[in-house]
Amino acid sequence: GDSVTQMEGPVTLSEEAFLTINCTYTATGYPSLFWYVQYPGEGLQLLLKATKADDKGSNKGFEATYRKETTSFHLEKGSVQVSDSAVYFCALTPGGTSYGKLTFGQGTILTVHP
Amino acid sequence: KAGVTQTPRYLIKTRGQQVTLSCSPISGHRSVSWYQQTPGQGLQFLFEYFSETQRNKGNFPGRFSGRQFSNSRSEMNVSTLELGDSALYLCASSLVGGGSYNEQFFGPGTRLTVL
Repeated sequence: GDSVTQMEGPVTLSEEAFLTINCTYTATGYPSLFWYVQYPGEGLQLLLKATKADDKGSNKGFEATYRKETTSFHLEKGSVQVSDSAVYFCALTPGGTSYGKLTFGQGTILTVHP
Repeated sequence: KAGVTQTPRYLIKTRGQQVTLSCSPISGHRSVSWYQQTPGQGLQFLFEYFSETQRNKGNFPGRFSGRQFSNSRSEMNVSTLELGDSALYLCASSLVGGGSYNEQFFGPGTRLTVL
């Protein structure tokens, strides 16, 4: 079945450091890929998405590129802020009639220190 | 526009009991999906309902069931509760279910504790 593998955390960075969270996936067909973020005490929010190969999703300074050849969707940000501290989840949907089904990675806890 | 609402927010039950959780989607959204979040297993898909029909189902035992009403509100039921059912149960709604991508909007969740 479909699966998503994220780099294990937690990740601790200083403010203005460069962030990379690795994500690789296994899926048949052409899945859509997502990064969700869960801030402390809040619900899951969509951070960015890419629905086909070579698409780049971006939002709030975060970016991720859909790489079909390496089955990857790594999350990057050039300069993190304390307010970026949260749990980040990589996810996919297989498409077709299964767009309502998200498969998530284990989540990566990010802590940014001033 | 109001977001996805889930009730109750917190629930404590004992083993063997059953529980019903409720989810009200964003107005106009017809697809509702349910997820279980635990520290050990992470976020796992339970099932998705669209137009009162279950469209997709995850790998959970039959003790977990759900339904959707004509106004798109959804409920999930867990019978014969086990300690391992303690989790945060998340509901998400989207504009259209299946066939095309629409962003899923998540509710705050219901925290279920089984004693």
